Amino acid sequence: DAKTTQPTSMDCAEGRAANLPCNHSTISGNEYVYWYRQIHSQGPQYIIHGLKNNETNEMASLIITEDRKSSTLILPHATLRDTAVYYCIRHGNAGNMLTFGGGTRLMVKP
Amino acid sequence: NAGVTQTPKFQVLKTGQSMTLQCAQDMNHNSMYWYRQDPGMGLRLIYYSASEGTTDKGEVPNGYNVSRLNKREFSLRLESAAPSQTSVYFCASSLQTAVGGNTIYFGEGSWLTVV
Repeated sequence: DAKTTQPTSMDCAEGRAANLPCNHSTISGNEYVYWYRQIHSQGPQYIIHGLKNNETNEMASLIITEDRKSSTLILPHATLRDTAVYYCIRHGNAGNMLTFGGGTRLMVKP
Repeated sequence: NAGVTQTPKFQVLKTGQSMTLQCAQDMNHNSMYWYRQDPGMGLRLIYYSASEGTTDKGEVPNGYNVSRLNKREFSLRLESAAPSQTSVYFCASSLQTAVGGNTIYFGEGSWLTVV
């Protein structure tokens, strides 16, 4: 099973941190955790990815639990433009392509 | 640097008609992909090409054919369009498919309606 589990939707106040959880309890040792987002009607946009260690870039931070069974994407200061569907994806060996689930619809409110 | 470019952006077909969606990338990527996204759903992989000269089926390949024309271009063909193929189609590319930090870049989508 290459799927992940995410809440269907979440709200966040503008300027506050948005914490998006993802469960990937059956992840294997060579699978990365990727996060993408899709703003309405646009192509998915890469955010961040990680294997074991926490990662940070200009867009977000990724916190992966020590057992790698779950992770959290953190948008430190959410803006209205961060309103989108966020996808947490497992990606491993060649031939096992990115599989998109339903994602989390994040609504950032003024 | 345009990234991944898809054409056409919008198309209406009659049932049974054929058409080809074109995709090109200018990032010198080895791997290219075609996904479809139905309303309110996540993306599903149709076909992918790990490298020039190879193509493989994804999750939902029935009713489609692909051609990796060269390293830059990867086309998707509907031979006999059906209403069930009404969807948004996304082309994507990545440096390679192997595990090890493989970021996929997407085009802006092609909206296809089959009536």
